[in-house]
Parts: sequence; structure tokens; C-alpha cells
Amino acid sequence: AQSVTQLDSQVPVFEEAPVELRCNYSSSVSVYLFWYVQYPNQGLQLLLKYLSGSTLVESINGFEAEFNKSQTSFHLRKPSVHISDTAEYFCAVSELGSSNTGKLIFGQGTTLQVKP
Amino acid sequence: NAGVTQTPKFQVLKTGQSMTLQCAQDMNHEYMSWYRQDPGMGLRLIHYSVGAGITDQGEVPNGYNVSRSTTEDFPLRLLSAAPSQTSVYFCASRPDRGGSPLHFGNGTRLTVT
Repeated sequence: AQSVTQLDSQVPVFEEAPVELRCNYSSSVSVYLFWYVQYPNQGLQLLLKYLSGSTLVESINGFEAEFNKSQTSFHLRKPSVHISDTAEYFCAVSELGSSNTGKLIFGQGTTLQVKP
Repeated sequence: NAGVTQTPKFQVLKTGQSMTLQCAQDMNHEYMSWYRQDPGMGLRLIHYSVGAGITDQGEVPNGYNVSRSTTEDFPLRLLSAAPSQTSVYFCASRPDRGGSPLHFGNGTRLTVT
């Protein structure tokens, strides 16, 4: 069964600094990978996803994530963060093939705290 | 276009009481699921459904029941509430089992005393 580990529970960073939120997954088959964001007192919103093709995927607000199959990772990066990026970020995995039940399994979440 | 609607938004129960959390979607999505969110634990899958009449267990199913009699509705039942079930519950749906993203409801905050 698939699983996800987010390696940092909290990441404090100053405004305009770069940031990386780490995500590793475990699966014996091919996977789809997702990053979701949750702003305070709100539900989750899709940030970006990897389904196939280019291993580098981008969001409309400057985040990007790179799928690394050999390291089973899907780290999220942004070259320059804003105060408004303060939120909780979740990595998620869904298995393909005969294991494709459609289940989306989430990691424990990483709280990004952007300081002025 | 309402998307995924959860009711109620807040609920307080006493230990041993039962209740049903409602979830409805108007997007004709085949796949629906329930998660609970607890600090430091992320979102954990309780139950999911790949279509009307089909349900299956997720990571933490104990103490919860579900049914899927229609495509639109996927209620979550707590048969005998326990303090350990204090959490925020999210319902989510997506069109299929492929790479489509989940659409989340706004959540139900449940406290069991």
C-alpha cells in the first residue's frame, strides 16, 4: 500500500527567501502525485500535480515540484516566498494499475511560516 | 455550482451518542471519500466509494460507517461517539479514480465530550 512522508512538520522562512518542502512516498507501482495547500480555517485546494511526462510541474503562483522516481520524492519549491504563502501544505499519492482503487493518501503536512 | 457540501459545520456530541455527517456533491463525481484531520497527523482516509453501491475502508475505518445509495450523497455515520473521534472531518470527491484532483468540502468540526 502507498504511503507518504513529509519530512518537516514546520518550515519557518523569511519573506523573499527560497523554500523547499520535502515529500517522499512509498509504492510498489506507478503513482500520481499531488500537492495541496490549506489556508487557515479553509478546506484543501490543489496546488499542482504530476501524472506523467515532464518531471517538473509548476503552479500558477510560482511553486514547482519535481518528481524523482529513483529517490521516490516529490519536493515542492518556490524561489521567493510571500507572506501570503503562509499555510499548511500536504503531499498526496494515488496508485495506478491494478492497485488503482482511487485512494488518495496524504502526508502529515508541513506548516510554512513566512516571516516579514 | 455548489461543489461539495458538508453539514453541519460544527457539532458537539456526548460520548456514546450517534450522528451522521452529511456530504453531497453536484458534479456527478463517481469517487467520494471521507478524511479526518488531526494536528500532526495530516489527513487520514476513513472510507471511500468508487460509485453508487460500492464502498471500502481507508486507513482509519473503525467506529465509522458509510453507505452510497446515490451518486450525489455519501454520509458518514458515527455509531457510538468517543472522545478520540474529536476531529475535523472533510468530504472530498473527484470524477474518477485517475489523475483528477479531489474537490473538498469546507469541513465539519466535531467535538466529543
